[in-house]
Amino acid sequence: AQSVTQLDSHVSVSEGTPVLLRCNYSSSYSPSLFWYVQHPNKGLQLLLKYTSAATLVKGINGFEAEFKKSETSFHLTKPSAHMSDAAEYFCVVSALNTGGFKTIFGAGTRLFVKA
Amino acid sequence: DTEVTQTPKHLVMGMTNKKSLKCEQHMGHRAMYWYKQKAKKPPELMFVYSYEKLSINESVPSRFSPECPNSSLLNLHLHALQPEDSALYLCASSQDSNSGRTDTQYFGPGTRLTVL
Repeated sequence: AQSVTQLDSHVSVSEGTPVLLRCNYSSSYSPSLFWYVQHPNKGLQLLLKYTSAATLVKGINGFEAEFKKSETSFHLTKPSAHMSDAAEYFCVVSALNTGGFKTIFGAGTRLFVKA
Repeated sequence: DTEVTQTPKHLVMGMTNKKSLKCEQHMGHRAMYWYKQKAKKPPELMFVYSYEKLSINESVPSRFSPECPNSSLLNLHLHALQPEDSALYLCASSQDSNSGRTDTQYFGPGTRLTVL
């Protein structure tokens, strides 16, 4: 079975400070992991994905995430937040299981960026 | 071109109306998806088409009827909806859901549906 847990429903940071959005997953098979961002009333945009290559994945807009199998985590980070980063972020796990291909979305983390 | 387009952007309909949502992609993707997203919630998968055949139906009520006329187009036909069906409807596409563990889904901007 697969599941994904985003540990914070809301995160608030000041502009210019680091961002950490936490995601834990469980999967019976080797998963692929994704982070998507959604700005208000918009579709979802892929930030980055992990697919069993390098464990440190770099994405767009300065975001990166590290796959840690021992901790079953895939936390999203950015060294310095920008006002335009304020949005909803979804961690997504995808893997083949006995029922076939399955994609599971986390509940989302709302990022607030203060000036 | 990595764009998925959706029309209309906004739709208001009564409970007796029949309407359709449209989605189009020209990336050569063979899997297409409909999601429903309520406010402050993640997207919920409704349907998946793979090679123009319906491969996943997540127990969606029959008042929602998907259609995939060709590999670039995906429609969602709506009939006799309820006010609780008001939501953002997102379309997505990916390379091939059969190999899909690593597939990236590309999302459209969504249709904001209000049912009165």
